[in-house]
Amino acid sequence: DGGITQSPKYLFRKEGQNVTLSCEQNLNHDAMYWYRQDPGQGLRLIYYSQIVNDFQKGDIAEGYSVSREKKESFPLTVTSAQKNPTAFYLCASSYSATIHNQPQHFGDGTRLSIL
Amino acid sequence: SQQGEEDPQALSIQEGENATMNCSYKTSINNLQWYRQNSGRGLVHLILIRSNEREKHSGRLRVTLDTSKKSSSLLITASRAADTASYFCATDASYGGSQGNLIFGKGTKLSVKP
Repeated sequence: DGGITQSPKYLFRKEGQNVTLSCEQNLNHDAMYWYRQDPGQGLRLIYYSQIVNDFQKGDIAEGYSVSREKKESFPLTVTSAQKNPTAFYLCASSYSATIHNQPQHFGDGTRLSIL
Repeated sequence: SQQGEEDPQALSIQEGENATMNCSYKTSINNLQWYRQNSGRGLVHLILIRSNEREKHSGRLRVTLDTSKKSSSLLITASRAADTASYFCATDASYGGSQGNLIFGKGTKLSVKP
């Protein structure tokens, strides 16, 4: 079955530690996205990638970093510079970033908490 | 920046009743999408309506779009307990040339009681 896999489902971060959230898709999609969701809130865009070896900052990129070395993979690193990292992180993909009117496909999220 | 705003924030109904959720947005759009999120899970795409469409149906879902009022509504008919979830509207946005980016509202939390 095609889809998006996020791991781990739960992650705990210690003070001063960087942690990396995994996102893999086998949908052959060009575009991938990382969102942050806080309780009772909508989704806020952290980073997006239109194609391999390219990525752009979203609304709340500070304290986060990404890479896109393979089409299938778009890992997100939450650095120690992100002072309030506790949130639900969602990864998504879409067929192309250059075409309007497309749905995004989501993984089941990673819940990050501070120890 | 959040463009879509859903109303109401929470809705509680009995099984078999209809549920209506509204979404308002601020700038012109190419399309508006509705998504569902079950507790602790990712979002699932429900329906997309283009700016030149006024109404669209998919099973028990009916979506309307009024671009003059910058608003959309999602109607779920004959609701079931399994429809209990949060529902989000999303509008397209242009970030640095990317046509695929979406801006999500804060969602309506729907509770359907058996």
